[in-house]
Amino acid sequence: DTAVSQTPKYLVTQMGNDKSIKCEQNLGHDTMYWYKQDSKKFLKIMFSYNNKELIINETVPNRFSPKSPDKAHLNLHINSLELGDSAVYFCASSQVIDSDTQYFGPGTRLTVL
Amino acid sequence: GENVEQHPSTLSVQEGDSAVIKCTYSDSASNYFPWYKQELGKGPQLIIDIRSNVGEKKDQRIAVTLNKTAKHFSLHITETQPEDSAVYFCAAGNNDMRFGAGTRLTVKP
Repeated sequence: DTAVSQTPKYLVTQMGNDKSIKCEQNLGHDTMYWYKQDSKKFLKIMFSYNNKELIINETVPNRFSPKSPDKAHLNLHINSLELGDSAVYFCASSQVIDSDTQYFGPGTRLTVL
Repeated sequence: GENVEQHPSTLSVQEGDSAVIKCTYSDSASNYFPWYKQELGKGPQLIIDIRSNVGEKKDQRIAVTLNKTAKHFSLHITETQPEDSAVYFCAAGNNDMRFGAGTRLTVKP
């Protein structure tokens, strides 16, 4: 069974559109994250949620809005997509927020045309 | 906040040789240092980690060393195999983990 799952795996869309990426974890973890990985493989933290509350909100544009309906889900909604948003987005989870192993999903490759 | 630097960015070794990847960090409060392996088309996966109260940890062919005084830690892979080829990330932190920029390791048969 997949521990951290994301949908869709690939997303191709036009500039200006709004899209969402869904993430679910079945590990019973309290903390979930969103990362952006650019073409050079650099992993940048975007958000982290602990027990459905926002803990880390890095300097990402406010076009990106995470939503956590419950501890097992953390969805990422992106408004007015731009070319520079093209990247692979990874969801991850950990048991606790402090000093703990993160389990990553398979990634969503977003291409903005 | 924490800043993690990782070297080298690319590393090519012959099968059977050893590979070493090094990371430095800036925040002395960091107490957790994991290493992740990312294979093509997949998400990063933990391969080994070390906490600040330990200087070295080994798991079969992989080992990690930590020097808290110098604020650096290293990943050592011995007897490398082609399936070790991947991108490796170090990370450091406490309640706010930061990742290095990654090392692309290629093991030539």
